[in-house]
Amino acid sequence: GQSLEQPSEVTAVEGAIVQINCTYQTSGFYGLSWYQQHDGGAPTFLSYNALDGLEETGRFSSFLSRSDSYGYLLLQELQMKDSASYFCAVNVGGFKTIFGAGTRLFVKA
Amino acid sequence: DAGVTQSPTHLIKTRGQQVTLRCSPISGHKSVSWYQQVLGQGPQFIFQYYEKEERGRGNFPDRFSARQFPNYSSELNVNALLLGDSALYLCASGRGLEPREQYFGPGTRLTVT
Repeated sequence: GQSLEQPSEVTAVEGAIVQINCTYQTSGFYGLSWYQQHDGGAPTFLSYNALDGLEETGRFSSFLSRSDSYGYLLLQELQMKDSASYFCAVNVGGFKTIFGAGTRLFVKA
Repeated sequence: DAGVTQSPTHLIKTRGQQVTLRCSPISGHKSVSWYQQVLGQGPQFIFQYYEKEERGRGNFPDRFSARQFPNYSSELNVNALLLGDSALYLCASGRGLEPREQYFGPGTRLTVT
């Protein structure tokens, strides 16, 4: 079967850095994605890692280690608007995306 | 460019009825995937269509079916509705077959009573 694990909640203060980890067990792994979803909204694409290493896009970075079946999303210079749910998702077989249960990030002033 | 659009926004149905949900992908995108999201959980993969062919199917019963049209829009059909089908149904479009970067529509909120 396939499974993803990520923390259910993370709390951080404005301006800080936060890391959301994701471990996965799956066959036919193609890559790891991250999505942000605000309450009442649709998921928004943040990043995709197919190869090992760090991808940086503005304040957000994502890391993948295929050998460890592990990845993380790093959010820097946290802002109040970053309060949302963050989902890691694995691309399986090149056509199927399996989402984790999500991590609720609370940013405090 | 317009984003992914879905219709209707909200829908209330009775157990046993049938429902059709519609999705129009971003112009130029040939892939459409459907997801079911229950409150507090991540989206669950239902189908992926690419170039009008089903390329992937999740663990959903045969009551769920879908199709993609020549203009790449898509419909999701659910027959014999159950109370447990109440959820947000999301459509996502992508450029290619491999769903590296998906753009989600606002979803259709289905309530089954």
